[in-house]
Amino acid sequence: QKEVEQDPGPLSVPEGAIVSLNCTYSNSAFQYFMWYRQYSRKGPELLMYTYSSGNKEDGRFTAQVDKSSKYISLFIRDSQPSDSATYLCAMSAPPGNTGKLIFGQGTTLQVKP
Amino acid sequence: EADIYQTPRYLVIGTGKKITLECSQTMGHDKMYWYQQDPGMELHLIHYSYGVNSTEKGDLSSESTVSRIRTEHFPLTLESARPSHTSQYLCASSEARTTDEQYFGPGTRLTVT
Repeated sequence: QKEVEQDPGPLSVPEGAIVSLNCTYSNSAFQYFMWYRQYSRKGPELLMYTYSSGNKEDGRFTAQVDKSSKYISLFIRDSQPSDSATYLCAMSAPPGNTGKLIFGQGTTLQVKP
Repeated sequence: EADIYQTPRYLVIGTGKKITLECSQTMGHDKMYWYQQDPGMELHLIHYSYGVNSTEKGDLSSESTVSRIRTEHFPLTLESARPSHTSQYLCASSEARTTDEQYFGPGTRLTVT
């Protein structure tokens, strides 16, 4: 069983829709949770970073962590064609576990004009 | 925008050839990483370095080797390329105090024929 599971999609939505991207994980030691965005033929770029449980908002993006359910989400409001990309969740345990990132397989999102 | 560079961006090479994938960063980051990414699959850590003269193997077994003689440079070498090495190789770096906020290069897409 993979430590991090992410629905690969693809997910296709009309412009302006609210998008929900999700990951589940099995390792209760994970405390740092990230979302990376990867455009075609580019490297991933850090989009959101959250420590432990709770919500974090940045513009149209909201990251949500529910440690009790081992479930994280990324919400995109008023989605734009420029949001079309692959979104990767990633997580890590505290430095005592080397702090290496474990990635989900990514969800490909297409926002149609 | 992260200043991390990878060359070449694309490489097609025959079986048995020796290749070196270059990665450089100008951010002064102590920590650097190499990931392998196949289509629709998660990123797998193959090598990492926490500073000059420090290198470790990652979670995914790889026949490649790395070196870290200078802070800014982290090349990956394959002594004898095989078709199974065909993949996307991503280099990343992060500050010493955290392994989570990793900045990625654009990647090298390697095809071994």
